[in-house]
Amino acid sequence: ELKVEQNPLFLSMQEGKNYTIYCNYSTTSDRLYWYRQDPGKSLESLFVLLSNGAVKQEGRLMASLDTKARLSTLHITAAVHDLSATYFCAVDLTSGSRLTFGEGTQLTVNP
Amino acid sequence: NAGVTQTPKFQVLKTGQSMTLQCAQDMNHEYMSWYRQDPGMGLRLIHYSVGAGITDQGEVPNGYNVSRSTTEDFPLRLLSAAPSQTSVYFCASSPVDRVRGYTFGSGTRLTVV
Repeated sequence: ELKVEQNPLFLSMQEGKNYTIYCNYSTTSDRLYWYRQDPGKSLESLFVLLSNGAVKQEGRLMASLDTKARLSTLHITAAVHDLSATYFCAVDLTSGSRLTFGEGTQLTVNP
Repeated sequence: NAGVTQTPKFQVLKTGQSMTLQCAQDMNHEYMSWYRQDPGMGLRLIHYSVGAGITDQGEVPNGYNVSRSTTEDFPLRLLSAAPSQTSVYFCASSPVDRVRGYTFGSGTRLTVV
């Protein structure tokens, strides 16, 4: 059974600081996805990581994937208030078709 | 606009009532899936489909039925609503290659009283 764990579950940051969210998963997979969710809204795709060593960056966010360690990281650089949201990582097996989600990390960026 | 459309957006049901949550996509995606989101528990898979005529159970299938008669539509049926089914329901779709990941609908917020 595929299990996905995120930490921390809650993160309060000051603007301008850096931090990393970790996502561990239990079964071999070479695909991992990061989503953002604002309160009362749907999930917005941030990154699709499709192979070992994949690194993607968009603005102040950078995601990486290490399939051997079964670990993905979402690094936040110089946080701003607009990044406040809940971030989910999700994994599907190589055969695909559905996602297993982590519990989510609720990020609050304070002025 | 291309995407995943869910209806209704909000629904209140009485215990024991049945209803269908609709999900439609116009991107010709083979894969479709239903998730429920509860506070502190992330999103959990209810049912999924890899193509028309093919469905399978996910992590929390009890109390729900699905069918997939066309590529575009994947309705979720609540047979006899229970308060434990109060949740936010999301439908998602993706092509087989998942290069761009999974696209989610806007969700249905269901309350069972």
